[in-house]
Amino acid sequence: RKEVEQDPGPFNVPEGATVAFNCTYSNSASQSFFWYRQDCRKEPKLLMSVYSSGNEDGRFTAQLNRASQYISLLIRDSKLSDSATYLCVVHTYNSNSNSGYALNFGKGTSLLVTP
Amino acid sequence: GAVVSQHPSRVICKSGTSVKIECRSLDFQATTMFWYRQFPKQSLMLMATSNEGSKATYEQGVEKDKFLINHASLTLSTLTVTSAHPEDSSFYICSAKGTSYIGYNEQFFGPGTRLTVL
Repeated sequence: RKEVEQDPGPFNVPEGATVAFNCTYSNSASQSFFWYRQDCRKEPKLLMSVYSSGNEDGRFTAQLNRASQYISLLIRDSKLSDSATYLCVVHTYNSNSNSGYALNFGKGTSLLVTP
Repeated sequence: GAVVSQHPSRVICKSGTSVKIECRSLDFQATTMFWYRQFPKQSLMLMATSNEGSKATYEQGVEKDKFLINHASLTLSTLTVTSAHPEDSSFYICSAKGTSYIGYNEQFFGPGTRLTVL
């Protein structure tokens, strides 16, 4: 089972729409959770950290459910510039990793916002 | 703040040559740098963790003699792909973790290097 799983999409939505992405992780001992954004052929950039209490940054809301090992990202009032791939990232101890604690990346969910 | 640069951004080389990629933290000291590889439509996969002044820790399945990592200073780590082959063609991304609170739990990513081996 993969450490971090995401629906790859693509999600095609019109401008102004609300869209939600989901992510599940396998290791219950995971410590920190993030959403990154990656534009085509670019490096990932941190969008926001995710906390158990939920957190909001403008049009973006992230939620974490530790019991279900589930993370979500909600984007309201989508803009054309939101088109990108959204990566769910979990900081966890990986017994298969020689580095121990490391960032584990999902494959990403592709979003295309259309006019 | 917290800017990481990578050089070169793109390289095309012939099979059998070696390619060196530099990763620099420009405005902070990075005790730890990470090297990732990303194939098309795949997730970033950690190749190795590099700590300044010590040997890198390679992930399972990554050949340490093929992917040489040197982290000689707190602001520079290099990855050398030796005797590159077409299957090494990929997007190589480094990240750095700082010593101060700003970078304690966050990795700052470089812009990546796209390697194409002919």
